[in-house]
Amino acid sequence: EAGVAQSPRYKIIEKRQSVAFWCNPISGHATLYWYQQILGQGPKLLIQFQNNGVVDDSQLPKDRFSAERLKGVDSTLKIQPAKLEDSAVYLCASSTGAETQYFGPGTRLLVL
Amino acid sequence: ILNVEQSPQSLHVQEGDSTNFTCSFPSSNFYALHWYRWETAKSPEALFVMTLNGDEKKKGRISATLNTKEGYSYLYIKGSQPEDSATYLCALRALMNYGGATNKLIFGTGTLLAVQP
Repeated sequence: EAGVAQSPRYKIIEKRQSVAFWCNPISGHATLYWYQQILGQGPKLLIQFQNNGVVDDSQLPKDRFSAERLKGVDSTLKIQPAKLEDSAVYLCASSTGAETQYFGPGTRLLVL
Repeated sequence: ILNVEQSPQSLHVQEGDSTNFTCSFPSSNFYALHWYRWETAKSPEALFVMTLNGDEKKKGRISATLNTKEGYSYLYIKGSQPEDSATYLCALRALMNYGGATNKLIFGTGTLLAVQP
């Protein structure tokens, strides 16, 4: 079974630029999550989708971050404009909604 | 704000040593506890999901115990090997005020384990 796919794996941008990350979850997983992991901290949930609807986006900085999951399968997370403090690993995970969340390898973002 | 704490932050051991880490969480909000292993440049890998007080789970040389009354879980690695080098994360799935559980995971900051040959 293929795992969660993410791209790109690494991205370096300058502050105020825009960036987008892509995630393809495990086939059949209705729930998709985006987490942000800043160095020295644990992963923090940014947004959770159930199919193509948003379940929880309470910790998403909506002035600069947006996410969509249009067809209930893959998802994109966008930052516009990026700030220095957005440097982090962005993890995508998926689940059937029951228990275990399965993670992708993450996108490492560096904002200069 | 729910807080999950892990200790130690980092650990350096020799090959063959046994080691253990602690994860602490608010017992009143407990629904389930997850353990993950995250090797550099790879995907976090699910190790255990623990739900019952007194639960003990094992996967090869790695085992975990759970005490929901006092709000902690221990992860043990017996006879550490260099391939065990990784960050070990615990995450709480919390019970909400309405009586149900969120699917959201609240992570600790992790324990970084380095095993030297």
